[in-house]
Amino acid sequence: AQRVTQPEKLLSVFKGAPVELKCNYSYSGSPELFWYVQYSRQRLQLLLRHISRESIKGFTADLNKGETSFHLKKPFAQEEDSAMYYCALLETSGSRLTFGEGTQLTVNP
Amino acid sequence: EAGVVQSPRYKIIEKKQPVAFWCNPISGHNTLYWYRQNLGQGPELLIRYENEEAVDDSQLPKDRFSAERLKGVDSTLKIQPAELGDSAVYLCASSLRGDWDTQYFGPGTRLTVL
Repeated sequence: AQRVTQPEKLLSVFKGAPVELKCNYSYSGSPELFWYVQYSRQRLQLLLRHISRESIKGFTADLNKGETSFHLKKPFAQEEDSAMYYCALLETSGSRLTFGEGTQLTVNP
Repeated sequence: EAGVVQSPRYKIIEKKQPVAFWCNPISGHNTLYWYRQNLGQGPELLIRYENEEAVDDSQLPKDRFSAERLKGVDSTLKIQPAELGDSAVYLCASSLRGDWDTQYFGPGTRLTVL
């Protein structure tokens, strides 16, 4: 069965510092990975997906199949990046998302 | 556009009582999802509808949970009877069929079972 692991429940950085939110997965098929974000008092929303290869709000994520990882990175964190971040894996059938437990990012001034 | 609408936003009940949650998806979205999110966890899919058909309900605890989407638009998720362990946030989401870029979540219903 597929599994998504986010090893850090809490992550705190200072404004302007680089930030990396870790995501590891286990899946026997060819995965598609996503990052979702939930800002305080807002709805869960899609941040980015690996197939789009886009940078959203300065965030990027690269799928590393060798290390089965999909870490989210931003070179210079901003206070408005403070939020809950969830990594998610889409099954090959394209029908079900499996979410990790989430990482609460706090960017301090 | 209000996005995905859910009601109620909060619900407190005693164990063994029934409870129902309602979801109105984004207009034109034929796929509807119900997720449960326990405290400190990510969302877990309970059921997925394509129009009015439940195409994935393998993780729905069918002894006490039921769901319907009679006209392929609004949906209701019911728990009867509720147990203490059902306390969670119940999220509804909708999307165009097979298009995860268009999946939008509702605000959720926070259920507390006492």
